[in-house]
Amino acid sequence: GAGVSQSPSNKVTEKGKDVELRCDPISGHTALYWYRQSLGQGLEFLIYFQGNSAPDKSGLPSDRFSAERTGGSVSTLTIQRTQQEDSAVYLCASSLAGEPNYGYTFGSGTRLTVV
Amino acid sequence: DAKTTQPTSMDCAEGRAANLPCNHSTISGNEYVYWYRQIHSQGPQYIIHGLKNNETNEMASLIITEDRKSSTLILPHATLRDTAVYYCIVRVQAGTALIFGKGTTLSVSS
Repeated sequence: GAGVSQSPSNKVTEKGKDVELRCDPISGHTALYWYRQSLGQGLEFLIYFQGNSAPDKSGLPSDRFSAERTGGSVSTLTIQRTQQEDSAVYLCASSLAGEPNYGYTFGSGTRLTVV
Repeated sequence: DAKTTQPTSMDCAEGRAANLPCNHSTISGNEYVYWYRQIHSQGPQYIIHGLKNNETNEMASLIITEDRKSSTLILPHATLRDTAVYYCIVRVQAGTALIFGKGTTLSVSS
């Protein structure tokens, strides 16, 4: 696609429910990144994929968070048993292989609200 | 990755050049300097990056000091739409994720 697509754009869920956030990277981008940004805060790195493998998942805040990527393309970030502190904008980015000569392209994010 | 230090905020008059400084005194020889910006309610946007030489593209210029311990992002003719948080990041190689700090909030006013 022309850009990084994230869905849904907004999600309101009840505390304790599971949610899935989707990211469609730019076609041909082998690297994919998830970040989150709480209100008024900076970007917090969550996990990085190269192809379908995740060499760096050090930013996942707890075992309630998981992510997968299939076919070297679409990625899903799953949050189980959501808590109010999970409320944030979840951003996905992709990039070409062979960085650092290419920048990241970010999606518009999914705004998650846990009530 | 080496850490960066940026001013918390800066102001700039519309039409003037905006010069955003970044200190990265512990940068290693193989670490690149990246600049991104985030306009309110949007995802971050790549601006420019460099290793040793000064770089210029349609958005901005990047000036890196000879010792590579600091750099300056220059927006030659700032507009109101350039109001954003600007992030300076250093990173060594592909295979690691960019780690964003707090950045500089640039406010451009008419």
